[in-house]
Amino acid sequence: AQKITQTQPGMFVQEKEAVTLDCTYDTSDQSYGLFWYKQPSSGEMIFLIYQGSYDEQNATEGRYSLNFQKARKSANLVISASQLGDSAMYFCAMRERDAGNNRKLIWGLGTSLAVNP
Amino acid sequence: GAVVSQHPSRVICKSGTSVKIECRSLDFQATTMFWYRQFPKQSLMLMATSNEGSKATYEQGVEKDKFLINHASLTLSTLTVTSAHPEDSSFYICSARDLAGSYNSPLHFGNGTRLTVT
Repeated sequence: AQKITQTQPGMFVQEKEAVTLDCTYDTSDQSYGLFWYKQPSSGEMIFLIYQGSYDEQNATEGRYSLNFQKARKSANLVISASQLGDSAMYFCAMRERDAGNNRKLIWGLGTSLAVNP
Repeated sequence: GAVVSQHPSRVICKSGTSVKIECRSLDFQATTMFWYRQFPKQSLMLMATSNEGSKATYEQGVEKDKFLINHASLTLSTLTVTSAHPEDSSFYICSARDLAGSYNSPLHFGNGTRLTVT
């Protein structure tokens, strides 16, 4: 079963507008972490923002914020004031412990964001 | 910030040859590095977890004799694709966890290697 679900394969947004990328997760752990990464067409993975399961405040990093709704198991990424350089793939990932007690990242399928001028 | 250097960025090789990909943490030490494979327009697929000084842990379905991983130091892990075939053509990307980091610390990624086997 998919543990990280990103329901939007592709999204469009007008430059300077805000956009929300959806991410829902499934875990039985009490302690877990949620990450968002950006992957431009060049391929590198760029860390954007982190939310811990025990964090009471929604994480923010510059134009990025995470709308964390623990009861709904969602961790949506909000990008404010979109820029052309924001066009990329965005991946949601969850860190949890596997059966061997190793910490691993579970990845969503990604959302392709295109920012229109 | 933490930098992971991955080389080469692109490689084209002939079928049957072996290719080595290096992943170095430049300004931090990493006891654990992860190797991923990514097909076009798809997510990252974890291939193996590389632990310094011990054998790598491979994910189910990944051939350990095909994808040799060595993590000889706290700053270097290598992935060798042995006897490469066209179906091994893919984007390979490594990531590293800072030894000094906390549970909250993100993984630091290399820029990836695009392998094409002809």
